[in-house]
Amino acid sequence: EAQVTQNPRYLITVTGKKLTVTCSQNMNHEYMSWYRQDPGLGLRQIYYSMNVEVTDKGDVPEGYKVSRKEKRNFPLILESPSPNQTSLYFCASRLRWDLETQYFGPGTRLLVL
Amino acid sequence: GDSVTQMEGPVTLSEEAFLTINCTYTATGYPSLFWYVQYPGEGLQLLLKATKADDKGSNKGFEATYRKETTSFHLEKGSVQVSDSAVYFCALSLTGGGFKTIFGAGTRLFVKA
Repeated sequence: EAQVTQNPRYLITVTGKKLTVTCSQNMNHEYMSWYRQDPGLGLRQIYYSMNVEVTDKGDVPEGYKVSRKEKRNFPLILESPSPNQTSLYFCASRLRWDLETQYFGPGTRLLVL
Repeated sequence: GDSVTQMEGPVTLSEEAFLTINCTYTATGYPSLFWYVQYPGEGLQLLLKATKADDKGSNKGFEATYRKETTSFHLEKGSVQVSDSAVYFCALSLTGGGFKTIFGAGTRLFVKA
């Protein structure tokens, strides 16, 4: 089944404790991105990647890192989480950067205390 | 800057009622327009899209027409069902900047039996 998977789905952590949220897609998509969803703000892009080893900042990259060592995986890293990073996070992918239809993962709900 | 504005929710309707969710946009150039739906506990799914002025996107009984003169892309359905209860996001995609997608804040729809 073609899908985007994220882990974990739920996470409670404390300020400053490094964490990684994994994202994997099995559709051989070149383009992957991370979004955060906050009430009243919709989805905002954190980082995106047009292909392996090619990443760039989105609209709200502060406090986040990403890497794209393999085509299928695009982990989101929070080196020192803070309470303002409490949010719902979505990974998405599409076949190529210039094709519009995106496929979203199920989301990761993060609470930083 | 480029943006999407959609009506605030929640919207509460009875089953078989007519649905309209308003969406207007501001963009330079000629964006593609989308409606995404998010069911409880899931990621976003593409509901419909339109890529140029006067195009009508449709899917699952939902429709939206790309109106360049009013910069709008309102979502409509003639007869809603309880299963349509979800959050609906209007979005636009720009050809510049790697096909960046800009989302509205989302509108929650509740349909009562």
